[in-house]
Amino acid sequence: DSGVTQTPKHLITATGQRVTLRCSPRSGDLSVYWYQQSLDQGLQFLIQYYNGEERAKGNILERFSAQQFPDLHSELNLSSLELGDSALYFCASSVSLDVRGHKNIQYFGAGTRLSVL
Amino acid sequence: DQQVKQNSPSLSVQEGRISILNCDYTNSMFDYFLWYKKYPAEGPTFLISISSIKDKNEDGRFTVFLNKSAKHLSLHIVPSQPGDSAVYFCAASAQNRGSTLGRLYFGRGTQLTVWP
Repeated sequence: DSGVTQTPKHLITATGQRVTLRCSPRSGDLSVYWYQQSLDQGLQFLIQYYNGEERAKGNILERFSAQQFPDLHSELNLSSLELGDSALYFCASSVSLDVRGHKNIQYFGAGTRLSVL
Repeated sequence: DQQVKQNSPSLSVQEGRISILNCDYTNSMFDYFLWYKKYPAEGPTFLISISSIKDKNEDGRFTVFLNKSAKHLSLHIVPSQPGDSAVYFCAASAQNRGSTLGRLYFGRGTQLTVWP
């Protein structure tokens, strides 16, 4: 168990709809990252938040938005959904140094599988 | 533009033998590299990492080698075990000076199968 919690595990919806994916980071982690994994693709970085503020943006569509709340949980909002948005969405959180001295280790949740029909 | 590439989508190895997974990158600003392992229906799990100031890092059965001039890294698993069967992702980041919170660039993964 990575300590990162994502809900829901599965989401089935129709084109044009809007959904919200939720992520609770590991206790003490201030940074949250969102990634998208489509079929046979690597993980594509979407967006990063650090202590409530947007830190970096990747290939995130304008139809997608995210935020990080004061309690550090984060939500990824996907709107006007299209068939191509069907994918696994992962959230990760990070610490600067773990007990083995590794830097920038990102710990991943189990993901939310989104199916747009 | 894929800045981290794993050119072998799959690798099959007999139990007890060495598994070698390869990864190439194009961005010379990358200075920190990680390997993640992923089982079906789970998120990626951190395995091992290496800083660009080193050329080798070892953790039990897992060793990562970095060749900066060739922009190439590899993960060696010795001896391989059936439980190692998973998808392995290579990832890289360009650490901000004084910060360790950089985004990760991932390869597409290599499916490792270890057979008895």
